[in-house]
Amino acid sequence: GENVEQHPSTLSVQEGDSAVIKCTYSDSASNYFPWYKQELGKRPQLIIDIRSNVGEKKDQRIAVTLNKTAKHFSLHITETQPEDSAVYFCAASGNAGGTSYGKLTFGQGTILTVHP
Amino acid sequence: AAGVIQSPRHLIKEKRETATLKCYPIPRHDTVYWYQQGPGQDPQFLISFYEKMQSDKGSIPDRFSAQQFSDYHSELNMSSLELGDSALYFCASSSDMGLAAYNEQFFGPGTRLTVL
Repeated sequence: GENVEQHPSTLSVQEGDSAVIKCTYSDSASNYFPWYKQELGKRPQLIIDIRSNVGEKKDQRIAVTLNKTAKHFSLHITETQPEDSAVYFCAASGNAGGTSYGKLTFGQGTILTVHP
Repeated sequence: AAGVIQSPRHLIKEKRETATLKCYPIPRHDTVYWYQQGPGQDPQFLISFYEKMQSDKGSIPDRFSAQQFSDYHSELNMSSLELGDSALYFCASSSDMGLAAYNEQFFGPGTRLTVL
């Protein structure tokens, strides 16, 4: 099955700096890669996603890049703010074709702390 | 907009008791996923349903069972509860329309299960 590795496990930055989180996946059939932000005790919230036919996607201060050949994808947050502090999870899922096989395999999570 | 509803939000049980968690997906969503998230861990996929049929199965113990009903709500039944079952249980729904894996999963608020 799919295995997703995420690094770093913790990341501490100053307000205004950029933050980068990286993930690798093992299953070449995976074709959907969402990123979730989760605050303590709350549900995972989708912040951006990318599909395998796209190499990069940007939404305001957040961008994601995908390298299918190397099987890795990254989250970039620019101009970080204290409210960006949370746990961030990458995930991967694949389409087996014809039926819903969209289960998400998550990375281990990154605790991002943005200091004012 | 309507979101995924989960009940109860909190549940406290004794060892060896049973628990039933309920999930009401977003209207017209045909796929439901269940995830288990232990303290400090990433969400782990348990089981999913598409159009009331089990579509995929992950690391779900034999003590757990689930089903999706005609109104698309789903229930996760957990028997012979163990201390290690204490976790956040998330339900997510998506509208896959049989195409799978390309659509965002919307997470419910979760049920926090505590086994004493």
